[in-house]
Amino acid sequence: GESVGLHLPTLSVQEGDNSIINCAYSNSASDYFIWYKQESGKGPQFIIDIRSNMDKRQGQRVTVLLNKTVKHLSLQIAATQPGDSAVYFCAESPTDKLIFGTGTRLQVFP
Amino acid sequence: DTEVTQTPKHLVMGMTNKKSLKCEQHMGHRAMYWYKQKAKKPPELMFVYSYEKLSINESVPSRFSPECPNSSLLNLHLHALQPEDSALYLCASSQEKTGSYEQYFGPGTRLTVT
Repeated sequence: GESVGLHLPTLSVQEGDNSIINCAYSNSASDYFIWYKQESGKGPQFIIDIRSNMDKRQGQRVTVLLNKTVKHLSLQIAATQPGDSAVYFCAESPTDKLIFGTGTRLQVFP
Repeated sequence: DTEVTQTPKHLVMGMTNKKSLKCEQHMGHRAMYWYKQKAKKPPELMFVYSYEKLSINESVPSRFSPECPNSSLLNLHLHALQPEDSALYLCASSQEKTGSYEQYFGPGTRLTVT
């Protein structure tokens, strides 16, 4: 299920299930979007990106969907594994810098 | 090599100290960035260097002073910091400054100001 913690929304999923992490972005001029994964004590790690001329892009076990009409981005992780547990940030780029979303903590339980 | 390295990993400093954070990349990237990240918050952009010149300063207090000695190195000089400056400081690099290039992040320096 999904719950809102003190600062970070949290998504809890069972190992093997698919995860969907959502992100609303703010700037309709943004033309580039990235998802990052950040494990505890580490820097953000690139997962997948998408440009505004696309609405879907697939990587290994991950898919990013972009809906420009409602300014929504989602990250789908197939067959979620314990190693996927981390905080996930979306980021948008309206100009020459990245603007990060607030983040979602993904917890994977056996 | 797709690695950004940062030193030190941890730093504890008093409010009267002067210290420096260091960042290095050997990917040939021409843009480098400093971010500040508080616990449970997203990274916040501080500075952007493009071709070794300061391109963006996000109204960062002058007690933080960036320096780009060459295209592979980025420093952040710290002086007279406040306890609220305690955070994870992240360095990143990208091929170019324009926003449509992936930024590679280092592991960060965990800074504690006492």
